[in-house]
Amino acid sequence: GESVGLHLPTLSVQEGDNSIINCAYSNSASDYFIWYKQESGKGPQFIIDIRSNMDKRQGQRVTVLLNKTVKHLSLQIAATQPGDSAVYFCAENFGGGYNKLIFGAGTRLAVHP
Amino acid sequence: DSGVTQTPKHLITATGQRVTLRCSPRSGDLSVYWYQQSLDQGLQFLIQYYNGEERAKGNILERFSAQQFPDLHSELNLSSLELGDSALYFCASSGLAGPGELFFGEGSRLTVL
Repeated sequence: GESVGLHLPTLSVQEGDNSIINCAYSNSASDYFIWYKQESGKGPQFIIDIRSNMDKRQGQRVTVLLNKTVKHLSLQIAATQPGDSAVYFCAENFGGGYNKLIFGAGTRLAVHP
Repeated sequence: DSGVTQTPKHLITATGQRVTLRCSPRSGDLSVYWYQQSLDQGLQFLIQYYNGEERAKGNILERFSAQQFPDLHSELNLSSLELGDSALYFCASSGLAGPGELFFGEGSRLTVL
């Protein structure tokens, strides 16, 4: 496999620490948001989603926070593990009843032992 | 394994040529999406089909076209290829027409020389 080679911002964390990845979205009318993880040479993989009528949603070791006032989304990963190393993308659905996910630029998470 | 199959995995061709990328969605999924991932642009939404009909369109060039067949597989046709078309092309599928999780394939890497 190969990485996509994107020139991305990188978040470096120590194994066991908590990670917070931030995302600013563009459309105040977006009604659905989703976080994906992309490992080198693979397709994006679903992590967690949230609808616009919520401001927080928790999964296993992950939490997504939505602040519609400032159009900000964050992904929190608890007890980060080496296997969490990947590029993380947020995506927003532009609404209108369609599933037209628009992706952000991505953040590379590097987990160090 | 997401259940979405894309072929070919790698393709090298010359400028001016035409290629076809193929996608088989997860069993039972009616929606198919195409995304382009290049160095400069991240994941760009191209087009969505739902049960054979075009549902949503993104920044898809006129040189590109897609279709979804009665058996629900989809093809993305790229013609008059340019160097800048070199990218990873992802197909994703969903069981929904509206907002929800997309399941991505492993991608087709196109290199235009």
